[in-house]
Amino acid sequence: DVKVTQSSRYLVKRTGEKVFLECVQDMDHENMFWYRQDPGLGLRLIYFSYDVKMKEKGDIPEGYSVSREKKERFSLILESASTNQTSMYLCASRVGGGADTEAFFGQGTRLTVV
Amino acid sequence: SQKIEQNSEALNIQEGKTATLTCNYTNYSPAYLQWYRQDPGRGPVFLLLIRENEKEKRKERLKVTFDTTLKQSLFHITASQPADSATYLCALNTGGFKTIFGAGTRLFVKA
Repeated sequence: DVKVTQSSRYLVKRTGEKVFLECVQDMDHENMFWYRQDPGLGLRLIYFSYDVKMKEKGDIPEGYSVSREKKERFSLILESASTNQTSMYLCASRVGGGADTEAFFGQGTRLTVV
Repeated sequence: SQKIEQNSEALNIQEGKTATLTCNYTNYSPAYLQWYRQDPGRGPVFLLLIRENEKEKRKERLKVTFDTTLKQSLFHITASQPADSATYLCALNTGGFKTIFGAGTRLFVKA
């Protein structure tokens, strides 16, 4: 059974802290994604990666960075957490190649910044 | 920019009826469109993909249509059950690696 695992279900962090969200997939997928989900706004793409050490900005990259040192692991970093980054964060992976492939999502990390 | 619109109001239906959810999009002609199911506190799960040259796709009690002229997809669940209660998301692949998602429509099926 395919799996995308996010390191935490719930996190509470203080404003200004550096926050790391980890995501691991066991499907040998080339493509990995970080989204945030807010009520009424749907999933918004923060960053994605199509290969090890490669990354591309999504639609809302400000205040975030990412790291992909190994194929199976994609990390999202909040450099200095702010209250407007309180959200549900979802990691996804997808096999490489064409765009007609399904995305597999992790269970999500609900981050609260106080 | 590309926009996806899904009915933000929840859909309430009686068990056994057919649920129909709508996805409208603008400013793009996607080659593919996907539907996902999301339960509270969980990540989305893929259900169906339909290509632009396919008018209709079925999977068990699910049916998806894709009208590129109207820029609309309809998602049907026949013989709905309380276990079908969830949020359903429409998604477009905009070419390359990017997929954009609608905000989803919440479905409640009453027993």
